[in-house]
Parts: sequence; structure tokens; C-alpha cells
Amino acid sequence: KNEVEQSPQNLTAQEGEFITINCSYSVGISALHWLQQHPGGGIVSLFMLSSGKKKHGRLIATINIQEKHSSLHITASHPRDSAVYICAVSVAPDKLIFGTGTRLQVFP
Amino acid sequence: GAGVSQSPRYKVAKRGQDVALRCDPISGHVSLFWYQQALGQGPEFLTYFQNEAQLDKSGLPSDRFFAERPEGSVSTLKIQRTQQEDSAVYLCASSWDRGSTDTQYFGPGTRLTVL
Repeated sequence: KNEVEQSPQNLTAQEGEFITINCSYSVGISALHWLQQHPGGGIVSLFMLSSGKKKHGRLIATINIQEKHSSLHITASHPRDSAVYICAVSVAPDKLIFGTGTRLQVFP
Repeated sequence: GAGVSQSPRYKVAKRGQDVALRCDPISGHVSLFWYQQALGQGPEFLTYFQNEAQLDKSGLPSDRFFAERPEGSVSTLKIQRTQQEDSAVYLCASSWDRGSTDTQYFGPGTRLTVL
């Protein structure tokens, strides 16, 4: 079993829909990261959080440490949000463990 | 530079060749990470530098893989006697602070194809 599990693996949506991507982990962590990867490989850090909730524009990330679960929400989705969204957890002073990603496609 | 850069962006090697992949982190960043990303998978940790010190190399898959950051800035990942299973995208990331609990800035990656 992977230490970081994401669901769903693939997600399609119509423009404007509210989107939720889930991440569950089975190890003790010091922080959780949400990353965005566009075709061609570039990875951008969206959020890093260790408790509660963070919001940036149309993106919201939440984490429940007790349940070892995090969610990434996208409000009013847009075709430019199409990308792979990756959850990663900090498990050691220097190590990230990544999920396999959720591929999101938003259609106009 | 404005971000993390990597070179080359693409590398094709014949099985058995040695390759060297370069990473230029953001100036002043203390931490530097190397990751390997196979097709359709999430990245996997290879090694971590804090300035010039390689503090963790537990993710290097074999002794054919070697990384260095001699002056605490530019880093090189070297793969000796490449094998087909080494084909992947190699990502470099850097961050201001020590460890993995700081925002990491990723380079565009080097796509290695071993024939």
C-alpha cells in the first residue's frame, strides 16, 4: 500500500464546477504539500500546510491531522486549471513522499 | 536567474553510457533536492543537500548514481553505466530553508531516455 494515496486518479469537469481532490496518508508528517504539474513537466508548489486551512484565489486546501487526510478544492473551475495535482508529505527532516497525482481536465 | 534551471532538458543515452545532469538552484537557497519521476508516476526522492553537505542519499537506487554540490550552489547528478530502467524525468528542487518543510521550487526537469 502506498504511503500517500490520492483520489480520484482522473477527474473531468465542466467549466465552473466545484472540484475536490483527496489525499490520505499513513505516516507521521510534519507538513503536507499540494503541487501542480502541467504537461511538459513543470511543477509548481500551491500550498504547504500543517494544520487547518489555506486559501489562494480559487484554490482552498484543508488538512485534518487526526484523520491523516487533506483535500484540495477548486472553485469555479476553468480549462486552465487542467493539470496533474500532486499531494506530497514531509516525513523526515529532508524527505518528501509523493502521491501518484490526480489528472484533472476541465472542459469549456 | 529567476528560477531553478536544469540542463540538458532532454538526454538520450545508449545503455552503458555515463550521463551528467546539472541543476542551478535559486541563488541563496540552502536546500537542494533531486527526484526521479517515472512516466505516469509521482516523483520519488533521490537525495538531499544542505549547502554543500549531502545529508541524505537514501533514495539513490544504486551505486551507479552519484550526486554532488561542491560549492553549495550548482549540483550535478551523475549516472554511470546507464540502464533502460534509468529512463525517467529527473527533477531538481531548491528551497530557502533547511529540510522539506519549506516551499520547494522545482526546475523543469531533464528527461533521460536510455536506449
